[in-house]
Amino acid sequence: AQSVTQPDIHITVSEGASLELRCNYSYGATPYLFWYVQSPGQGLQLLLKYFSGDTLVQGIKGFEAEFKRSQSSFNLRKPSVHWSDAAEYFCAVDPSNTGNQFYFGTGTSLTVIP
Amino acid sequence: NAGVTQTPKFQVLKTGQSMTLQCAQDMNHEYMSWYRQDPGMGLRLIHYSVGAGITDQGEVPNGYNVSRSTTEDFPLRLLSAAPSQTSVYFCASSQLRRDIQYFGAGTRLSVL
Repeated sequence: AQSVTQPDIHITVSEGASLELRCNYSYGATPYLFWYVQSPGQGLQLLLKYFSGDTLVQGIKGFEAEFKRSQSSFNLRKPSVHWSDAAEYFCAVDPSNTGNQFYFGTGTSLTVIP
Repeated sequence: NAGVTQTPKFQVLKTGQSMTLQCAQDMNHEYMSWYRQDPGMGLRLIHYSVGAGITDQGEVPNGYNVSRSTTEDFPLRLLSAAPSQTSVYFCASSQLRRDIQYFGAGTRLSVL
């Protein structure tokens, strides 16, 4: 079945440490890829997106993500995490060949310890 | 510029009651959608609209109705609420179908 997988339900990192959140998808063709962040009690905010071109994309708040077609992955990275990065992170996929649907992963909850 | 506005923020219903969740956007976006967010399941698409007068079902449409009479508004109706509809509901809009989506702050609904 087609899906968006975020294998890490919860991650804890120390402030200042590096971060990588994983996202894999199983849709064919070339999907549009997104990372959103949700702070407690808030809506979702776009961190970054990949539509085409350079496979390393930069986003807001110092985040970046790399699209790897061969691995069907779009992992999110940040070199040095800040306490304010504690939130829920969602990978999302807009396939090119499934009509008007838009699919989210189940999310990764990030805790940052001082 | 308010973006996407959802009302109410919180709602408690009894089983069998009906209600409408309101969603309005002021960005002149054509594409609007409703999602529900449940623990461990991410966001799932309920219904969406690609323009005024056009709506379609998403992944989990049962128990919900929508209409799109104007570009700005996209209400979600629960005709007979069930406890399984207890969730957080998000409305989103985008200029194009394959584009960045802008989300409202959400409506937290409890059905007793």
